[in-house]
Amino acid sequence: AQSVTQLGSHVSVSEGALVLLRCNYSSSVPPYLFWYVQYPNQGLQLLLKYTSAATLVKGINGFEAEFKKSETSFHLTKPSAHMSDAAEYFCAVSESTGNTPLVFGKGTRLSVIA
Amino acid sequence: DSGVTQTPKHLITATGQRVTLRCSPRSGDLSVYWYQQSLDQGLQFLIQYYNGEERAKGNILERFSAQQFPDLHSELNLSSLELGDSALYFCASSVAYRPDTEAFFGQGTRLTVV
Repeated sequence: AQSVTQLGSHVSVSEGALVLLRCNYSSSVPPYLFWYVQYPNQGLQLLLKYTSAATLVKGINGFEAEFKKSETSFHLTKPSAHMSDAAEYFCAVSESTGNTPLVFGKGTRLSVIA
Repeated sequence: DSGVTQTPKHLITATGQRVTLRCSPRSGDLSVYWYQQSLDQGLQFLIQYYNGEERAKGNILERFSAQQFPDLHSELNLSSLELGDSALYFCASSVAYRPDTEAFFGQGTRLTVV
């Protein structure tokens, strides 16, 4: 069964600083990986996804993530944080074979300090 | 707006009661997923339907049941409610059930059991 571990339940960065949110996955077959964002009182919105094409994936709002099979990681980055990036971020995995719905990590809350 | 509609947005009920949560998927989406979000457990997959048929089952309690109707809307029924069932319940939809398909989330129903 697949699983996701997000390192750090809360990350705080200054406005303009690099954002790095960490995600490690476990999957017995090649995975599909996703990052979702949840703003307060909202549902989840897809930021980006990896589905076995390019290992560096670009998403919305300037975010990108790199799939590293050797490290079983899919960390999310953004070069320069903006106040509007403050939200909860979820990494999720599904298996490329079979019918396995998304399995989410516990989330990382990103705070951006002015 | 994701196009997924969940009603009601908030629900307060007493222990032992039964409630029904409703979800209307995006137009054209055949697959519906239910997730439970709580502080201690994070986002837990409950159940998935595709075109009226159950496709996958996760950590759904026997007191909970769901169905997808011919018009593709879905209902999640929670019975014999306990305090621990208090959570945010999300519905998501996607056009297919393939694991690489983006899921669109509703804004959730916040259930409070008192």
